[in-house]
Amino acid sequence: ILNVEQSPQSLHVQEGDSTNFTCSFPSSNFYALHWYRWETAKSPEALFVMTLNGDEKKKGRISATLNTKEGYSYLYIKGSQPEDSATYLCAFGGGADGLTFGKGTHLIIQP
Amino acid sequence: DAGITQSPRHKVTETGTPVTLRCHQTENHRYMYWYRQDPGHGLRLIHYSYGVKDTDKGEVSDGYSVSRSKTEDFLLTLESATSSQTSVYFCAISTDNYGYTFGSGTRLTVV
Repeated sequence: ILNVEQSPQSLHVQEGDSTNFTCSFPSSNFYALHWYRWETAKSPEALFVMTLNGDEKKKGRISATLNTKEGYSYLYIKGSQPEDSATYLCAFGGGADGLTFGKGTHLIIQP
Repeated sequence: DAGITQSPRHKVTETGTPVTLRCHQTENHRYMYWYRQDPGHGLRLIHYSYGVKDTDKGEVSDGYSVSRSKTEDFLLTLESATSSQTSVYFCAISTDNYGYTFGSGTRLTVV
């Protein structure tokens, strides 16, 4: 069983502040690293898929970086807004065998 | 959402009864997955399928079986439901080498 760790487990951030959190994963046999945004009672929404060491992806105020050699990825949110409140999941792997998910970082943006 | 639907959306059942959850896709994707989501555990893979009549076990397969008699349908069966199987169940399809799309989830309560 692959070990995918996310930290912190939960995070309270003031509206307007920037924040970041971490996903660590096995550095061997890398295939892809996924970030999802998940709100309760909804399906996980894909944010990024990263496949190459050094990849940087950006979507609006959210960006992510990837270091496959050391086995970590960071997700950054710039200028947090209340609508950013959600659980952010990272997942390792892909292809036919599916994904192994971390336990998520629960982000709460305080007005 | 990539033509993936889950049914039922909500179900309450009694301990010891059989339960079948259905995942239906309209786009002929080969790979399908069942995950369960529990607080503190993220998403964990139950079973997955490479195609018709071709399935394999995931991380938490005990107490579950699956069937895939048609490309479009992937059924998850709890032969004798237990309270530990109270969870939110997500079906997913692999849409290309890296992308996954999730259904809206089935909330199952075993009383």
